[in-house]
Amino acid sequence: GNSVTQMEGPVTLSEEAFLTINCTYTATGYPSLFWYVQYPGEGLQLLLKATKADDKGSNKGFEATYRKETTSFHLEKGSVQVSDSAVYFCALRASGAGSYQLTFGKGTKLSVIP
Amino acid sequence: EPEVTQTPSHQVTQMGQEVILRCVPISNHLYFYWYRQILGQKVEFLVSFYNNEISEKSEIFEDHFSVERPDGSNFTLKIRSTKLEDSAMYFCASRVQGGGTDTQYFGPGTRLTVL
Repeated sequence: GNSVTQMEGPVTLSEEAFLTINCTYTATGYPSLFWYVQYPGEGLQLLLKATKADDKGSNKGFEATYRKETTSFHLEKGSVQVSDSAVYFCALRASGAGSYQLTFGKGTKLSVIP
Repeated sequence: EPEVTQTPSHQVTQMGQEVILRCVPISNHLYFYWYRQILGQKVEFLVSFYNNEISEKSEIFEDHFSVERPDGSNFTLKIRSTKLEDSAMYFCASRVQGGGTDTQYFGPGTRLTVL
């Protein structure tokens, strides 16, 4: 079946540090890949997505590249801010028509300290 | 910006009781979903709903859940005879119609505590 594995948290970084949150997946075909973010007290918000191999999703300074060869979709940001403190979820939607359910990783809590 | 809303934000119930979690999806969306996250575990798909019927459901859902769209705006998840292991955060999501439109918009969640 489909699955997503992301690095365990929590991750604590100083402001302006470089962020990487690893995400690997198992799925047949060519799934769509997503990063969702959850700020305290809020719902899951789509951060970025990629729908085919070698696509790069980007938003708010975050980037992730769909790597079919390594089945990965690592999230990166060059310089984190305190406001980036949140829980980050990697997810996939299986390829093929008819199924739009998302398969999530466990989430990685990021804390950025001034 | 339109958003998905959920009520209540926190629900406490006794084991064996029925609970109804409510969601108001974004108004022009036609596909609706429920997910849950048990503390410390992954967000898990429960069910998807379109055109007044279930389109997909997980093995978890088969047990004692049901969904309903009682009117033009609400989408509910009913848990019959709650168990301790139903304690979790429940997320509602919605998606606009359209082939290839992947993005699901999530609500803030309802935290259910079963005592």
